[in-house]
Amino acid sequence: DGGITQSPKYLFRKEGQNVTLSCEQNLNHDAMYWYRQDPGQGLRLIYYSQIVNDFQKGDIAEGYSVSREKKESFPLTVTSAQKNPTAFYLCASAAIPISGANVLTFGAGSRLTVL
Amino acid sequence: GEDVEQSLFLSVREGDSSVINCTYTDSSSTYLYWYKQEPGAGLQLLTYIFSNMDMKQDQRLTVLLNKKDKHLSLRIADTQTGDSAIYFCAESPDMRFGAGTRLTVKP
Repeated sequence: DGGITQSPKYLFRKEGQNVTLSCEQNLNHDAMYWYRQDPGQGLRLIYYSQIVNDFQKGDIAEGYSVSREKKESFPLTVTSAQKNPTAFYLCASAAIPISGANVLTFGAGSRLTVL
Repeated sequence: GEDVEQSLFLSVREGDSSVINCTYTDSSSTYLYWYKQEPGAGLQLLTYIFSNMDMKQDQRLTVLLNKKDKHLSLRIADTQTGDSAIYFCAESPDMRFGAGTRLTVKP
């Protein structure tokens, strides 16, 4: 079955440690996205990538880094510079539309708790 | 910057209709979307509408779009307890999402 997989589902880390969240898709989608979800604030875009070896900052990129070495993979690193990293992180992918709707397929999410 | 806004909570009785509202500010939005999120899970697309349309119906779901007022709504007919979830509106091309409306359906 085609889909998008995030791991781990739950992650606990001490303050000051970098953590990397995995996102893999087998949908042959060109575009991939990382969102952060906080209660009452909805989804905020961290980074997105439309092609291998290229990515763009979203609205809240500070304290995060990404790479896109393969089409299938878009890992997110939460660095120690991120002031409030505890959140639910969602990865999504999409085929880039020539015209038409840009429908995102989401992973199940990763919940990061910094102790 | 551009924004997408929704009210945070809605509570209805089983069998009633639910109407979830959304406003957006980006006049260049091309498509508007509704996604549903079950507890602890990712989002699933429910439906979307092209910005030049004013209505789209899909079984129990009706989407209304007032482009002049930049107002989008999702009506769920005959709401069931299984419809309890958080509903997000979103717009493209920026893929900006609202804060989500938590729908609670009471038996």
